[in-house]
Amino acid sequence: AQSVTQPDIHITVSEGASLELRCNYSYGATPYLFWYVQSPGQGLQLLLKYFSGDTLVQGIKGFEAEFKRSQSSFNLRKPSVHWSDAAEYFCAVGEGTNAGKSTFGDGTTLTVKP
Amino acid sequence: ETGVTQSPTHLIKTRGQQVTLRCSSQSGHNTVSWYQQALGQGPQFIFQYYREEENGRGNFPPRFSGLQFPNYSSELNVNALELDDSALYLCASSLKKGANEKLFFGSGTQLSVL
Repeated sequence: AQSVTQPDIHITVSEGASLELRCNYSYGATPYLFWYVQSPGQGLQLLLKYFSGDTLVQGIKGFEAEFKRSQSSFNLRKPSVHWSDAAEYFCAVGEGTNAGKSTFGDGTTLTVKP
Repeated sequence: ETGVTQSPTHLIKTRGQQVTLRCSSQSGHNTVSWYQQALGQGPQFIFQYYREEENGRGNFPPRFSGLQFPNYSSELNVNALELDDSALYLCASSLKKGANEKLFFGSGTQLSVL
């Protein structure tokens, strides 16, 4: 069965600092990977996704993620964090190409210090 | 704005009761997935409907059931509510088209079971 682990429950960074959120997955075939962001009381918004091709994926809001098959990782990065980036971030792996049947990690809460 | 609306936004029920949650998908989206998000956890896949037929189910008991209608709306029904059913319930719609599929999430229904 597929699974996703986000090792960091909570991360705090200063505004303007760089950010990396970790994600490790378990999946038997080529994974279909996603990063979502959730603000309090809101649904999830897709930041970026990877299915094939270039292992460095660019997303919205200045985020990028790198797929590393050898490490079963799909870490999310941003070079300079803004206060508005404070939110909950979820990594997910789809079932085949079916994004709607995704398995999610338990999320990482990002706090941004002024 | 994702174009996916859920109702009600909040709901309080007592143990043993039944509840119906509703989701209105984006026009033309033929697929809807439902997720349960318990406090402090990532969303868990409940089931998916594609063209009004169930298209896969997660590890949830039969008292969780659903319907999808031709007008792109859908329902999640939960019978015999238990305290552990307290969670945020999210629906996500998409136009099924392989690896380019993108999910659009609603803001969810917060269900409290007392």
